Amino acid sequence: QKEVEQNSGPLSVPEGAIASLNCTYSDRGSQSFFWYRQYSGKSPELIMFIYSNGDKEDGRFTAQLNKASQYVSLLIRDSQPSDSATYLCAVTDPPGGGNKLTFGTGTQLKVEL
Amino acid sequence: EAQVTQNPRYLITVTGKKLTVTCSQNMNHEYMSWYRQDPGLGLRQIYYSMNVEVTDKGDVPEGYKVSRKEKRNFPLILESPSPNQTSLYFCASSLRNEQFFGPGTRLTVL
Repeated sequence: QKEVEQNSGPLSVPEGAIASLNCTYSDRGSQSFFWYRQYSGKSPELIMFIYSNGDKEDGRFTAQLNKASQYVSLLIRDSQPSDSATYLCAVTDPPGGGNKLTFGTGTQLKVEL
Repeated sequence: EAQVTQNPRYLITVTGKKLTVTCSQNMNHEYMSWYRQDPGLGLRQIYYSMNVEVTDKGDVPEGYKVSRKEKRNFPLILESPSPNQTSLYFCASSLRNEQFFGPGTRLTVL
């Protein structure tokens, strides 16, 4: 059974700081990694996906993948109160395709004024 | 507007009364999926479909049925709902990397 682990939080950071969200996964064969953001009472929305080791940047967001350590992280620079949400890490086996996703339980992020 | 719709959004029912939650997408996506979300357990996949007439079990399929007769629709059927199926349900569709989620259906089984 594939497992995806996240610290449930809450992770509290001051406005303007860097928020670092972490995720580990158990299946060494996992190839695709996703970060979703979910506001309370709303549906998840995709922030970023990453397939290759290293960093991938998109605006204030950076995803980092280390397959040897089975670790994926999301950095949010210049955190804003609107970033306060639950962040879900998800993994799947085949690259792309949007196939079966296994989700972590999510990390709650609070950005404080 | 590209979207995934679910109906109903909220439903309170009683044990054993069959119900169907509809899901429809207008993006011509081949892949569709149903998830349930419970506190502390996260999102868990119930069933998924790779295309019309192709469905398969996810991680928690017991007590659920699905069908995929048309590309755009993927209904979730609870033949005999029980209280442990009280949950928040999401339908999703995808073409490649991004799964688009519907707004969710909050189901309470008494």
